[in-house]
Amino acid sequence: GAGVSQTPSNKVTEKGKYVELRCDPISGHTALYWYRQSLGQGPEFLIYFQGTGAADDSGLPNDRFFAVRPEGSVSTLKIQRTERGDSAVYLCASSRAADYEQYFGPGTRLTVT
Amino acid sequence: SQQGEEDPQALSIQEGENATMNCSYKTSINNLQWYRQNSGRGLVHLILIRSNEREKHSGRLRVTLDTSKKSSSLLITASRAADTASYFCATDYQGGSEKLVFGKGMKLTVNP
Repeated sequence: GAGVSQTPSNKVTEKGKYVELRCDPISGHTALYWYRQSLGQGPEFLIYFQGTGAADDSGLPNDRFFAVRPEGSVSTLKIQRTERGDSAVYLCASSRAADYEQYFGPGTRLTVT
Repeated sequence: SQQGEEDPQALSIQEGENATMNCSYKTSINNLQWYRQNSGRGLVHLILIRSNEREKHSGRLRVTLDTSKKSSSLLITASRAADTASYFCATDYQGGSEKLVFGKGMKLTVNP
């Protein structure tokens, strides 16, 4: 079956703009995760959804970041008033349930100029 | 930080040799997962090992877990040039949510 997909693959935006990043998890996976990865580092956790609700949003760096998963499938990560420090690869992962393998999408490379 | 740490940070070997990567972590875990990443994009899941398991195999991969030492190792046997990538261990800590905490990764280069 299809893996996790993310759109767009690349996004270039100007400082101060709003962006939305989309994640389509593997069909039937109830858990969805967002991470971001800076160059030379491992991925860092942002937020975890179990179904429609955010079970853990402790990794969101500030209130400019917000994520939704209204129907328990597709998720959107929203970043307001982007800053150059937000530039990174944003990765989405899904798993069939908690405590199972997390499968990652190809990521969205966000560049804030 | 509860970050896992891979050791060594970089390894260069010849095709056909075995490669061993180690991961240490700090607190009790539910499971530990190993991933491979090419060119800084998507991570490919390799193996998940649970806290009550000591060893798992998948093809040319062998993972061990020593919870008393809070460490894991990933062995790739008979390496190929295509194994060239960055490898990460990621831990799901007990008492937390299901988030994974990643190390900084280890760069493996397999020379033809």
